[in-house]
Amino acid sequence: NAGVTQTPKFQVLKTGQSMTLQCAQDMNHEYMSWYRQDPGMGLRLIHYSVGAGITDQGEVPNGYNVSRSTTEDFPLRLLSAAPSQTSVYFCASSYTTSWNYGYTFGSGTRLTVV
Amino acid sequence: AQSVTQPDIHITVSEGASLELRCNYSYGATPYLFWYVQSPGQGLQLLLKYFSGDTLVQGIKGFEAEFKRSQSSFNLRKPSVHWSDAAEYFCAGGSGYSTLTFGKGTMLLVSP
Repeated sequence: NAGVTQTPKFQVLKTGQSMTLQCAQDMNHEYMSWYRQDPGMGLRLIHYSVGAGITDQGEVPNGYNVSRSTTEDFPLRLLSAAPSQTSVYFCASSYTTSWNYGYTFGSGTRLTVV
Repeated sequence: AQSVTQPDIHITVSEGASLELRCNYSYGATPYLFWYVQSPGQGLQLLLKYFSGDTLVQGIKGFEAEFKRSQSSFNLRKPSVHWSDAAEYFCAGGSGYSTLTFGKGTMLLVSP
């Protein structure tokens, strides 16, 4: 099993450009989420989904959109990139909304907005 | 508000010495608690978890953590640190059906 796969691994965008960060899991996990990691800030939740067709906002949702049309995929869209969105983005998934399983993380996407 | 706090930003430990990384939580109900490790340029790997039962939990790579309700703590320990343990460590918590909240991380440096 591949686990949680994130693409691309690195990306440089110009201010105002749009892009989609891809996340796919092959473990039939119901729960998927996106975090951003910034120095000294830990991981902050952007958006999450408890199943196909259901999404909700996390702590820092502004500037990001998500959708969940299938169980496997949970893409994160930046509509108009800003330098403040320079960060490392992690996708994570879990079996259910019960956290006793813990999360499985992807290897991350390092995004730079210039 | 529900939160997880890691008081130490950096910790330096000599190789072979014991390690304790601190984590404090603030939850009304019994929380689920986790420790993750992140090596440079990598994703997060689960070290161990607590959600009920024995308050001393064993994890991978020789790590353990103890849940202390009276102190609202879930400190990570290892009796003898190896150079390969140098990494950033994150404590995380959740309660009920809430989303998982992460601490800001503790960077572990291992000196020869």
